[in-house]
Amino acid sequence: DTGVSQNPRHKITKRGQNVTFRCDPISEHNRLYWYRQTLGQGPEFLTYFQNEAQLEKSRLLSDRFSAERPKGSFSTLEIQRTEQGDSAMYLCASSPAGVGYTFGSGTRLTVV
Amino acid sequence: QQQVKQSPQSLIVQKGGISIINCAYENTAFDYFPWYQQFPGKGPALLIAIRPDVSEKKEGRFTISFNKSAKQFSLHIMDSQPGDSATYFCAASFDGGSNYKLTFGKGTLLTVNP
Repeated sequence: DTGVSQNPRHKITKRGQNVTFRCDPISEHNRLYWYRQTLGQGPEFLTYFQNEAQLEKSRLLSDRFSAERPKGSFSTLEIQRTEQGDSAMYLCASSPAGVGYTFGSGTRLTVV
Repeated sequence: QQQVKQSPQSLIVQKGGISIINCAYENTAFDYFPWYQQFPGKGPALLIAIRPDVSEKKEGRFTISFNKSAKQFSLHIMDSQPGDSATYFCAASFDGGSNYKLTFGKGTLLTVNP
């Protein structure tokens, strides 16, 4: 297990379509985070899981966004009815208890 | 409300020079301050981090200076190399909380000329 894996790396979708991204964290990490990064900006927190429990969601996560982490392993982030404003890099990170994140390489979403 | 303000937006340094990036924070509850390095097409990678009980931390060519009273911290890269060319982000977190979510600055694009 060499790091946090995210798939796909790139996704181009038409406006109004649904998309789903997957994140496989480092296996012994019980905390998993999703962040969104737009061009020229720092990552912004979206949501956080401790094991399978989703403990916090940002106001950035509208009703069109849903995240799951079944069995406390991999996580999925789904965006329904995509909008052009959803175009961004979606980053997943994991950590053991405490700080010290390891980020994945992200999924770049382009909504056309 | 931008809780972590980073400057400059971009920085050009000659090889062997010192790169300095500054950040200021607003929330006095923050107690963990990491710096991340990001290359194009990659996720951010943790470079070095500091807690407010120390004023300076050094790891190799990278040093964080922390001024609690001014609510400012900075990253110094000594002997800058072309391979250091990347975007650098400062961040802050409330380590005493339950989730350790990070608030990032907007980033500094560093270019080190050979």
